[in-house]
Amino acid sequence: ETGVTQTPRHLVMGMTNKKSLKCEQHLGHNAMYWYKQSAKKPLELMFVYNFKEQTENNSVPSRFSPECPNSSHLFLHLHTLQPEDSALYLCASSQEGLGRQAMNTEAFFGQGTRLTVV
Amino acid sequence: AQSVAQPEDQVNVAEGNPLTVKCTYSVSGNPYLFWYVQYPNRGLQFLLKYITGDNLVKGSYGFEAEFNKSQTSFHLKKPSALVSDSALYFCAVRDGGATNKLIFGTGTLLAVQP
Repeated sequence: ETGVTQTPRHLVMGMTNKKSLKCEQHLGHNAMYWYKQSAKKPLELMFVYNFKEQTENNSVPSRFSPECPNSSHLFLHLHTLQPEDSALYLCASSQEGLGRQAMNTEAFFGQGTRLTVV
Repeated sequence: AQSVAQPEDQVNVAEGNPLTVKCTYSVSGNPYLFWYVQYPNRGLQFLLKYITGDNLVKGSYGFEAEFNKSQTSFHLKKPSALVSDSALYFCAVRDGGATNKLIFGTGTLLAVQP
């Protein structure tokens, strides 16, 4: 148990559906991340939030829409997805600070949501 | 830009033998390096990190990593492999930029044969 919980664990959705992935962290961290992990491809960073503000959008298509209502919760809203969006979606959190403190903190990951788009 | 490279897609080792999973890095400034492990259908679990100080870093599950500045390497090691160590291993480095994100390598699949 890493202190980062993702729901649901598995999701099957059609290309016209709208669904949301949820991530919750109980670690008091102030930074949260969405990563995409596809088979035989490197981990792709999608979004970064620091203190509830989006600080990075890694050229992610608009059919993925993140939301961070507070430092403990992160959502990924999905609509009109494509089959190639099928992947494991990982949420992570870390304690961010300034300078060296920010550099030496590890991130904690949830178990992921296995998404299948049909 | 900071980056890490894992040159081996897969490492095979017999149970009881020592194992090494390789990682090299490219950074400007001081390196902040991490190792993570991923078991099937699970998220990534933190194993260990190098910040400064002793070049040999000890982590979870008996793993350790050796930081070598001259070779820009941060190889993961274990003296005696277990079948349960079979998993996907990721090396990572802190970006140090505006978002200070973790940059991951492509991963190395470790297969330990009984």
